[in-house]
Amino acid sequence: EDQVTQSPEALRLQEGESSSLNCSYTVSGLRGLFWYRQDPGKGPEFLFTLYSAGEEKEKERLKATLTKKESFLHITAPKPEDSATYLCAVQARGNNRLAFGKGNQVVVIP
Amino acid sequence: ETGVTQTPRHLVMGMTNKKSLKCEQHLGHNAMYWYKQSAKKPLELMFVYNFKEQTENNSVPSRFSPECPNSSHLFLHLHTLQPEDSALYLCASSERDGWDTRQNIQYFGAGTRLSVL
Repeated sequence: EDQVTQSPEALRLQEGESSSLNCSYTVSGLRGLFWYRQDPGKGPEFLFTLYSAGEEKEKERLKATLTKKESFLHITAPKPEDSATYLCAVQARGNNRLAFGKGNQVVVIP
Repeated sequence: ETGVTQTPRHLVMGMTNKKSLKCEQHLGHNAMYWYKQSAKKPLELMFVYNFKEQTENNSVPSRFSPECPNSSHLFLHLHTLQPEDSALYLCASSERDGWDTRQNIQYFGAGTRLSVL
């Protein structure tokens, strides 16, 4: 069974204090890893897809990286508007379905 | 109207009521999904439709009944729910339900917050 574990569960950051979120996964062959952002009272918003180890993608202050066992979402010099829950999901080879983690809840304090 | 729209945004119902959730996507996609999101739990996939045909029923109790009249619309009919069914119900769409990861990127609506009394 595909498993996705995200840590830390919750994180409070001062504005400008860079940090990283972790998504560890166990799948029988990775086809793709997805990162989403979810604001309170809203649905998840797609951020990135990563396909193979060593791949990196960036969007504004966010940078996602991928290894064979985990993905990191680096938040550089965060602003209060980066406060959200970040969800990680994986799709295994031979499987159409996404397995989601529980999320990393990030609060950025001005 | 763009993206994925869900109505109503909030719903309170008694255990004996019958209600329906509606989802509409304006992305030209062919696959639609229902998920349940509860606090401190991962997203739980409930149903998947691909070109109007159901391709996944993830052992969902029969008190939840999906309907997909076309590729743009998805309904979730609710009856005799239990308090533990209270959650955020999310609808999503993707180009199609398949192995191609690029076509499997899911776009979500804002959800319906359901409270069962």
